Amino acid sequence: QKEVEQNSGPLSVPEGAIASLNCTYSDRGSQSFFWYRQYSGKSPELIMSIYSNGDKEDGRFTAQLNKASQYVSLLIRDSQPSDSATYLCAVRGSGGYNKLIFGAGTRLAVHP
Amino acid sequence: EPEVTQTPSHQVTQMGQEVILRCVPISNHLYFYWYRQILGQKVEFLVSFYNNEISEKSEIFDDQFSVERPDGSNFTLKIRSTKLEDSAMYFCASPGLKRGGGDTQYFGPGTRLTVL
Repeated sequence: QKEVEQNSGPLSVPEGAIASLNCTYSDRGSQSFFWYRQYSGKSPELIMSIYSNGDKEDGRFTAQLNKASQYVSLLIRDSQPSDSATYLCAVRGSGGYNKLIFGAGTRLAVHP
Repeated sequence: EPEVTQTPSHQVTQMGQEVILRCVPISNHLYFYWYRQILGQKVEFLVSFYNNEISEKSEIFDDQFSVERPDGSNFTLKIRSTKLEDSAMYFCASPGLKRGGGDTQYFGPGTRLTVL
């Protein structure tokens, strides 16, 4: 059973701090990794994708991938109250346009 | 960000009734996906659809479910005889372009299905 694991949280950080979200996955053949943000009652919104080991930065967001450790993380710098949401890690297996397997999500609360 | 649209936004039905959920994916893509999310739970894959055929389906996608492309742009998810446990948010997703790579999936706003 291919699984994606996340700490459910809540992760509480003060405004302006760095929020660090983590995810592990079980399928070593996975090639593509995604972070989605989901506000309550809304659909998942794509934030970042990462395919190679190392870091990938996009604005205040940095995704980190370590395939050897089967570990993906998302850093949010200068956290804002508007970043308060559930962050979903999703993994896609190898080959073609395969399904995404989601973790349960980590709830982030940024307090002023 | 590319836009995927879904209708209706909320559907209330009686147990045992048929429902049809509709989606208009990002144009010019042959791949298309349906996911669902029961309240408080993970987003779960239901089915992928490629070039007018089901390419993969999950254990959830049993004989009560079907997916069709009734015309060139719309996709539907049909649940023939709804059960209470079918109550969930149903999302369609479509591959996007450019942002983050060719295999990203963009989600529609979802249809909240409530089975009474």
